[in-house]
Amino acid sequence: QSALTQPASVSGSPGQSITISCTGTSSDVGSYNLVSWYQQHPGKAPKLMIYEVTKRPSGVSNRFSGSKSGNTASLTISGLQAEDEADYYCCSYAGSSIRVFGGGTKLTVL
Amino acid sequence: QVTLRESGPALVKPTQTLTLTCTFSGFSLSTTGMCVSWIRQPPGKALEWLALIDSEDDKFYSTSLKTRLTISKDTSKNQVVLTMTNMDPVDTGTYYCARTNWNYRQEFDYWGQGTLVTVSS
Repeated sequence: QSALTQPASVSGSPGQSITISCTGTSSDVGSYNLVSWYQQHPGKAPKLMIYEVTKRPSGVSNRFSGSKSGNTASLTISGLQAEDEADYYCCSYAGSSIRVFGGGTKLTVL
Repeated sequence: QVTLRESGPALVKPTQTLTLTCTFSGFSLSTTGMCVSWIRQPPGKALEWLALIDSEDDKFYSTSLKTRLTISKDTSKNQVVLTMTNMDPVDTGTYYCARTNWNYRQEFDYWGQGTLVTVSS
């Protein structure tokens, strides 16, 4: 049960699109379409942005989208806005009701 | 609306046992498909999933911490309790509880505000 691998940081200018990757193994990301993504602003609790790889909860902007290929899941944010600057975490089901998080990615909006 | 709130000691000494309580409203843990997890975050570091309890009272733990963790629920009080034994300074961090609605595969769709636990003598 090792942590999923995310880039430590990504950046983009307002209006641009960015993609954050989340690499696991064939035991977690690769085996289940149960990857979720969370946005966390400083000092705040995480917020669910994507679940089941591609689904958005009610109220989450359609600028956020998710995908998966093999053992790697991705979160794409289009039309970057200043308010998107935050830490982003992926999480995957890993079988036997175990969950595993990624190491987190700091998004900077330039 | 769904809310969760963590409570417990802000400071524990090394080797002591930590007991945290998650009090929630807006859903019932007796409803099939509902689950509550504990997740922690050391200062400046990543989230780490610790444990989960579901509506069937099944319990699941992080492989690396399972020998130190116990999760339980009191459905009548809408509470989930986590105990962690043999606390160490590396266990310092913010501890969150979060709901999973497994009926819709919505993982951690609601979170508490977190409670900061410091382990120090």
